[in-house]
Amino acid sequence: AQSVAQPEDQVNVAEGNPLTVKCTYSVSGNPYLFWYVQYPNRGLQFLLKYITGDNLVKGSYGFEAEFNKSQTSFHLKKPSALVSDSALYFCAVRPYRDDKIIFGKGTRLHILP
Amino acid sequence: EAQVTQNPRYLITVTGKKLTVTCSQNMNHEYMSWYRQDPGLGLRQIYYSMNVEVTDKGDVPEGYKVSRKEKRNFPLILESPSPNQTSLYFCASSPRLAGGINEQFFGPGTRLTVL
Repeated sequence: AQSVAQPEDQVNVAEGNPLTVKCTYSVSGNPYLFWYVQYPNRGLQFLLKYITGDNLVKGSYGFEAEFNKSQTSFHLKKPSALVSDSALYFCAVRPYRDDKIIFGKGTRLHILP
Repeated sequence: EAQVTQNPRYLITVTGKKLTVTCSQNMNHEYMSWYRQDPGLGLRQIYYSMNVEVTDKGDVPEGYKVSRKEKRNFPLILESPSPNQTSLYFCASSPRLAGGINEQFFGPGTRLTVL
């Protein structure tokens, strides 16, 4: 079955430190990969995507993500965390030639001042 | 302003009373979708639509209906709501580009409670 895993329910990082939010997937073919962020009482906002090309993609608010085909991972990263980055982050996958979207369960990111 | 709107934002109802949650987008997007968000389960796709009169089941379609009579609107219908449909619902839209579905734009959410 096709799936997306975010192995950490919560990640705590001190402000100014680098952060990583992990995502692995299990789908056939070459998927499209996305990261979204959800702030309290808000809808989801698109952060970045990987479709093809350079394995390191840059997105909004200083976030970037690294696509690793051999490890089927798409980890979200930021070199220096801000308190305002505290939110719920979702990884999503669109399987190859499919119109369904599969989301991970989400990772709550806490940036400690 | 480009946006996805949902109404109502909050709804408390009783078991068995039919309800409709509306969703509308003003970006001329082909693709629209409904999700439910539950603690510990993330977002799960209920139904999606590639274009007018084209709808498909997502991962959790049971107990829901949708229609796509116009490109901009994609209402979610609960014919006989049950307490296990208490959830936070999101509508989303996306342009359909050459390679397929791209990033989605989400509505603000509808918090539904079924008593």
